[in-house]
Amino acid sequence: GDSVTQMEGPVTLSEEAFLTINCTYTATGYPSLFWYVQYPGEGLQLLLKATKADDKGSNKGFEATYRKETTSFHLEKGSVQVSDSAVYFCALRRTQGGSEKLVFGKGTKLTVNP
Amino acid sequence: DAGVIQSPRHEVTEMGQEVTLRCKPISGHNSLFWYRQTMMRGLELLIYFNNNVPIDDSGMPEDRFSAKMPNASFSTLKIQPSEPRDSAVYFCASRKTGGVNQPQHFGDGTRLSIL
Repeated sequence: GDSVTQMEGPVTLSEEAFLTINCTYTATGYPSLFWYVQYPGEGLQLLLKATKADDKGSNKGFEATYRKETTSFHLEKGSVQVSDSAVYFCALRRTQGGSEKLVFGKGTKLTVNP
Repeated sequence: DAGVIQSPRHEVTEMGQEVTLRCKPISGHNSLFWYRQTMMRGLELLIYFNNNVPIDDSGMPEDRFSAKMPNASFSTLKIQPSEPRDSAVYFCASRKTGGVNQPQHFGDGTRLSIL
């Protein structure tokens, strides 16, 4: 079945450091890919998305590129801030068959220290 | 605009009691999802509805769990009887179907503790 694998955390960085959180997926067809972010005590919020190969999603300085050849959707940010401390989830949704289901990775906790 | 509204935010109850979690989706959204989040298992989809009809309940753990959506603006997730292993954060999400670019919008969750 469909699955998403994220790098295990926690990840601890200093402010202004470069961030990469790896995400790979297994799915039939051409899924849509997402990164969600969860701040403490809150629900998940969509951070960015990509719906086809080679698409780049971006938001708030974060970027991820849909790489079909490597089945990856790694999240990157050039200079993290303390306010980026949160849990990040990679997810996919199969676009064929009309399924609404999102399949999530286990999440990666990021802590950014001043 | 109001987001997805869940209630209660926190619930503490003794095992064996009935628990009812509530969700109001965003107006105009016609898909609704219930998730459970735990440290061990991460985020799991329990059930989702489309136009108030349950489409996939394969994630519902057992018969103690039931979900209803009597109308487009309200859904409940019920656990009866509750057990300590049901302790988790339960999220509701809604989505406007039609096109691959519509994301799911999540509520802030209900933190459930079964003693």
